[in-house]
Amino acid sequence: DQQVKQNSPSLSVQEGRISILNCDYTNSMFDYFLWYKKYPAEGPTFLISISSIKDKNEDGRFTVFLNKSAKHLSLHIVPSQPGDSAVYFCCQGGSEKLVFGKGTKLTVNP
Amino acid sequence: EAQVTQNPRYLITVTGKKLTVTCSQNMNHEYMSWYRQDPGLGLRQIYYSMNVEVTDKGDVPEGYKVSRKEKRNFPLILESPSPNQTSLYFCASSFTRPGTGFYEQYFGPGTRLTVT
Repeated sequence: DQQVKQNSPSLSVQEGRISILNCDYTNSMFDYFLWYKKYPAEGPTFLISISSIKDKNEDGRFTVFLNKSAKHLSLHIVPSQPGDSAVYFCCQGGSEKLVFGKGTKLTVNP
Repeated sequence: EAQVTQNPRYLITVTGKKLTVTCSQNMNHEYMSWYRQDPGLGLRQIYYSMNVEVTDKGDVPEGYKVSRKEKRNFPLILESPSPNQTSLYFCASSFTRPGTGFYEQYFGPGTRLTVT
């Protein structure tokens, strides 16, 4: 069974609006949750993380929210820009490994 | 420049012909790993290495081998490739972000492998 679920394969938003990418997980044993961003023909790059003891982490236009009771996290991008168009992977991380979701393709339209 | 390099970037081969995909990092990271990315399946870990001479299986290790004889290199070996190993492969090296317990991974550019 999938441990990290990103149920929306794709998302399309207008430039300047908010993008919200969602992720659900089943295993509460990992200490960190991370988001990676991937452009075509490139490897994923680290975007933002959140510790399991926090419920929010903000870095510029990117904010990650963690709801442990619901086993749910979300990535908010405000305002969205065309350069944010990419595949976003949610993952759980611990001391030894990362478990990735299937990814959500975000398209930000000018 | 800090980077993870993979070679080759593209490879078309035939079933059963042994191949090696090289991975090298210049950041002196102890932790390295290999992933494969398939449509609809996301990134799945194949093998990882916590340090030189220390390797362990990830989620999909069948059909793959790795070695870690020196810190900077972590080659992925397919002894007898099969068509179901056609995929996009990523190597990554990692460091523990100060003040945290998680590995922030730097990924290589990927190797697209086709096995016919």
